[in-house]
Order: sequence, then C-alpha cells, then structure tokens
Amino acid sequence: QVQLQESGPGLVKPSETLSLTCTVSGGSVSSGSYYWSWIRQPPGKGLEWIGYIYYSGSTNYNPSLKSRVTISVDTSKNQFSLKLSSVTAADTAVYYCATQLERRGGFDYWGQGTLVTVSS
Amino acid sequence: QSVLTQPPSASGTPGQRVTISCSGSSSNIGSNYVYWYQQLPGTAPKLLIYRNNQRPSGVPDRFSGSKSGTSASLAISGLRSEDEADYYCAAWDDSLSGHAVFGGGTQLTVL
Repeated sequence: QVQLQESGPGLVKPSETLSLTCTVSGGSVSSGSYYWSWIRQPPGKGLEWIGYIYYSGSTNYNPSLKSRVTISVDTSKNQFSLKLSSVTAADTAVYYCATQLERRGGFDYWGQGTLVTVSS
Repeated sequence: QSVLTQPPSASGTPGQRVTISCSGSSSNIGSNYVYWYQQLPGTAPKLLIYRNNQRPSGVPDRFSGSKSGTSASLAISGLRSEDEADYYCAAWDDSLSGHAVFGGGTQLTVL
C-alpha cells in the first residue's frame, strides 16, 4: 500500500514561491502504476485539484492555476514536488498529495496534509 | 464557487437512509465517472465510491453511488454516528485538456 507524506514550510510570504515535497513509500514514482497529484483545501472550504505528474514527466494542471504551478518528480529520492509562484493569502490552505491508478481515476491514497499559510 | 453542486448540509437519525446529490454538466458528470470522498473531522479525504457505484475494499455496503445523466447521488443506509463527516463528489471535466473538479462538499450530521 502506498503511503504519502507532505513536507515543507508552513509559512510563506506574499509574492514568494510555495514549495512542498511528497515522499512516497510502498510504491515508486518511476513506475507507471500511478499518477501523482496535489490537491488543496482552504480552511473551512472545499477541495481543489492542483495537478498531476506521471512518471514519464507529463503533467496536467488545473487551468485556474496553470500559470503559477510546476509539479516535478525526483526519482532518486522517490519524491514529487509542488511549486506555486506569486502566492497570495488566497493560497492559504491544507495541501495534500495523492495518487491515482488511472489518468482519470479517483484519488486512491492521500497524505495527511500540511497547512501552508501565506502571510507577511 | 464549485463546478459540481452539492447541498451544503444533510442530516439523519441513526438507522435512517440519507442521500446526497451532486449536479454537474455534460462535460464532467455527463461524460465521465463520478467519485465520492468522505472526510472525517481533521483528517484527509478517503475514497468512498469510484466509477459511479464501485466501493473500494473495506468500505461498507451501506454506502452506494448512482449516476443519471449529469447528476449523481450518494446513499448511506443504516446511518451511524461515525458517518458524521463531510462528503465530496468529484469528476473529470473534458474542457481545457481535462481536469478534476469537486463539489463544494456536504456536511452530514447524525442527529
């Protein structure tokens, strides 16, 4: 069973870049078995899909965030990462990493989530 | 404002059957599978229903999903106190190279 763990700064200043990493165990980011996603949830609000990456390096991003998002994979560390640039207070959220078995599948496994606050 | 529309709240008494609706459009629910997630307080969401009506291993058969046209429903029978949670529907949307969309969530209260 795949296990996921998010890590990264809990506080980011406005206009800077948010960077998070998801460490994978029980599976390999370099296999073709999964798609690796990021999803966020502002405090007290609903879920928003950010995007995914496949082992080949192909990505798919939420159109509303596409201009600011980069998702990448580090096969040597069995991790995948999220970078969100030019953040504002509206980007304050719990960020989850998750997996999909299929390109348009459900999110089968989730990390516990990490709260990122955007504030000066 | 979420792409998929859910009622913000629902409630029921123990043992009762409750349903939660999810409304979308031809580009998402109308042409793709629907997924349902359960989020217990303070925890990450958990996949509850996939491909409209399939349950992952370990999910009780009290939970069932259905889809018709551009709408879907989650039904919970034999309601239990531990079912008190937020429930989200989701689907992939065919517009703009395909992306995942969620409902705004329904907070279920067990009275």
